[in-house]
Order: sequence, then C-alpha cells, then structure tokens
Amino acid sequence: GQQLNQSPQSMFIQEGEDVSMNCTSSSIFNTWLWYKQDPGEGPVLLIALYKAGELTSNGRLTAQFGITRKDSFLNISASIPSDVGIYFCAGRVSGNTPLVFGKGTRLSVIA
Amino acid sequence: ETGVTQSPTHLIKTRGQQVTLRCSSQSGHNTVSWYQQALGQGPQFIFQYYREEENGRGNFPPRFSGLQFPNYSSELNVNALELDDSALYLCASSLRRSLNTEAFFGQGTRLTVV
Repeated sequence: GQQLNQSPQSMFIQEGEDVSMNCTSSSIFNTWLWYKQDPGEGPVLLIALYKAGELTSNGRLTAQFGITRKDSFLNISASIPSDVGIYFCAGRVSGNTPLVFGKGTRLSVIA
Repeated sequence: ETGVTQSPTHLIKTRGQQVTLRCSSQSGHNTVSWYQQALGQGPQFIFQYYREEENGRGNFPPRFSGLQFPNYSSELNVNALELDDSALYLCASSLRRSLNTEAFFGQGTRLTVV
C-alpha cells in the first residue's frame, strides 16, 4: 500500500524562525493535505492542494504540490509559540479514496 | 470547530469487552470515515460509510465494524478488545460528491484497553 515519509520527525526552533517540512510518497497522489494536531484534539486542516505544481498560502503557511505528484512541502514563516503541535501530511490517490497520513512532524517553538 | 462531534471523549475498557463509539458529522456532509491513531503515529484508515453502506475498508479485522444512520451520524463498534486497540479513534466527515470538500475531523475518542 501507499506509504508517506514525512521529515523531519521533530524540530526545535526559535520564535521568529522559518520552518520547512516535507512529505514523499511511493505512489502518485492527486491530492495533498496538511493538518495540524494539538494534544487531545483531532487534526485540523491547514491547506489542501489539488494540482501538481500548485502553491497555496494560508497566512504564514505555504504549501506546494510537487511536480512529480509524489511529494509536498509545508513552510511556516516567522514562527510563533502557538505554532507548536504535530503537523501531518496526508495524500489521496484518486477520487474519494482514503487518506494516507505521514507519521507527523512535531514542532516545538522556543520563545 | 469543525462541527464533527464524537462521544465519549475518553473510555477505559477491559480486554475482551466490546465498545461502541459515536460520531455526528458536520451539517451537510454525507460521508463518514473512521481512523485509528496510535500514540506517536499518524491516523490509519479503518473504513468509510456513504449512504449507510461501507464504502472502503483499511487493513483492520472484521471485529471492527460500523454503521451509518439516515442522518449521516455513525458508530464504530469493536468486539473482543485487545490491548493494541488502545488508541485515539477519529471520525471525519466530508461531502462525497464535492472534490474540494475535504475531511474534517472530530476531537476523537481516547480508548484505553486494560
């Protein structure tokens, strides 16, 4: 089955720094999603990508759908303490097929 | 808030028991998916329900079963609980026929099997 490799596994950064994380797949996806999960909560959708090469922003967050359709990255600019959490990438092969998730990137922001 | 609500929020069960978890989907959403998230892992797809029928299943044994009701709410049932079933169970709702309506998750039910 499809597997997603998400990196890095964890990051410790200073407040104000930019952050970059990425996700690669063994299969071609037609949808890439990025979620953030806080402790004790369900994942919250940050950005959805539907076309190869697509670059989408949501405030300080920017994500891109890789040209090969097998990768995606998420950037966070000027990090703040509330950015702390676990970020998951997720992808879908086609249509309404199930989402496949990465193992997450745990982000810690040092004030 | 996504509008997807799950109950209960926490549950402790004994090995061998049965459990039922509940999910109310976001208004207007007709598709419900269930995921299992073990500690330190990403969510793993269990199954999806659309129009009250199972519509896709992940690599989970038959003792994991579900239902969807006419109002699109859903239940996840797990029989013969095992210690490894301890996890956060997430429900996500979506509108199947819309390409750009993605899955919105509830807050999850934390199941502990002892």
